[in-house]
Amino acid sequence: AQKVTQAQTEISVVEKEDVTLDCVYETRDTTYYLFWYKQPPSGELVFLIRRNSFDEQNEISGRYSWNFQKSTSSFNFTITASQVVDSAVYFCALGGISNFGNEKLTFGTGTRLTIIP
Amino acid sequence: EPEVTQTPSHQVTQMGQEVILRCVPISNHLYFYWYRQILGQKVEFLVSFYNNEISEKSEIFDDQFSVERPDGSNFTLKIRSTKLEDSAMYFCASSENRGLGNEQFFGPGTRLTVL
Repeated sequence: AQKVTQAQTEISVVEKEDVTLDCVYETRDTTYYLFWYKQPPSGELVFLIRRNSFDEQNEISGRYSWNFQKSTSSFNFTITASQVVDSAVYFCALGGISNFGNEKLTFGTGTRLTIIP
Repeated sequence: EPEVTQTPSHQVTQMGQEVILRCVPISNHLYFYWYRQILGQKVEFLVSFYNNEISEKSEIFDDQFSVERPDGSNFTLKIRSTKLEDSAMYFCASSENRGLGNEQFFGPGTRLTVL
């Protein structure tokens, strides 16, 4: 069975601080994908990043960076110089192949990030 | 840029009533999905659909739920007799192919409130 754990339920930081959102996953698959989605107050799911299990290179996109460590089954997300617009719920998700051959996304419970001006 | 659309954005219904949530997937996509998010909780897979039939469903997707692609563009989720616990945000998603690495594009969601 696949599982995604986001232990931090809520985080608040002051604007311009850096913040890291943790994600730990469990899977028996050798090939899988990991995702981060942002859910702003308006409710939609905004895709941020997708990484496959064979690519452990860290990725940076502007103020966002991701640290994938297969050894600890973690895929952490860091926002540097946070801004008020970063306030949202962030979901980590694991994509694996189900018994029926579909890619099924398993989401974590989300971390609510509040950036205080 | 192509996107998945969903209507309505918010639906309020009385317990026991039938509701139909509508989605228009991205036009060249072949695989369609419904997910549910109860307020404050995680997003959960409901069902996947391909070639006019369900390819997989979760334990949440019981006999009260059905999906259909009534024409070449719409993909619908029907709840036959709504219960209070069906109140949630329902997300539709589509992907071009299935299998690992094929990104699922999510719609903006329909918030269903059952009174």
